[in-house]
Amino acid sequence: AQSVTQLDSQVPVFEEAPVELRCNYSSSVSVYLFWYVQYPNQGLQLLLKYLSGSTLVKGINGFEAEFNKSQTSFHLRKPSVHISDTAEYFCAVSPPWGNNDMRFGAGTRLTVKP
Amino acid sequence: EAGVAQSPRYKIIEKRQSVAFWCNPISGHATLYWYQQILGQGPKLLIQFQNNGVVDDSQLPKDRFSAERLKGVDSTLKIQPAKLEDSAVYLCASSPATGALTEAFFGQGTRLTVV
Repeated sequence: AQSVTQLDSQVPVFEEAPVELRCNYSSSVSVYLFWYVQYPNQGLQLLLKYLSGSTLVKGINGFEAEFNKSQTSFHLRKPSVHISDTAEYFCAVSPPWGNNDMRFGAGTRLTVKP
Repeated sequence: EAGVAQSPRYKIIEKRQSVAFWCNPISGHATLYWYQQILGQGPKLLIQFQNNGVVDDSQLPKDRFSAERLKGVDSTLKIQPAKLEDSAVYLCASSPATGALTEAFFGQGTRLTVV
């Protein structure tokens, strides 16, 4: 079964600074990878996903992530964050076949300070 | 396109009481999921339906939790009796996929507090 580890539970950063949220996955087979964002009292919104092809994936709100198969990582990056990026970010994995369930990491709380 | 609708948004009950949550997925979506998100944790899959059949309920505490998806559209998740540790946000998600999952769309969730 697949699993996801988000290496940082909290990431504080100043506005306009770059940020990287780290995600490692465990799987013996190929996987689909996702990043979701959750604003307070809201559901999860998809930021970006990796299914196949180019390892650099661009998403909404200026976020991007790079799939690294050798390091089993899928880190999320943004070159310049805004106050409005303050939220909880979840990395998730699902197998490209079978029951297609999605497994989530514990989340990283990104706090952008002025 | 309307999103995944859930109700109620908030619910407070006493332990040992029963509670039900409702979810209306995006029209035409074959697959529906219920997730439990405890404060400070990532969502955990409780049950997955494909149309009106259960695909995976291995993590559903069946002694107290039940779920159904009548006619392959709306779904209801019930807890009876509730325990303090059931306090969480219950998220419903849907996907058009019946094969590999390429995206799941989430509702706003129901926040349950058991006192």
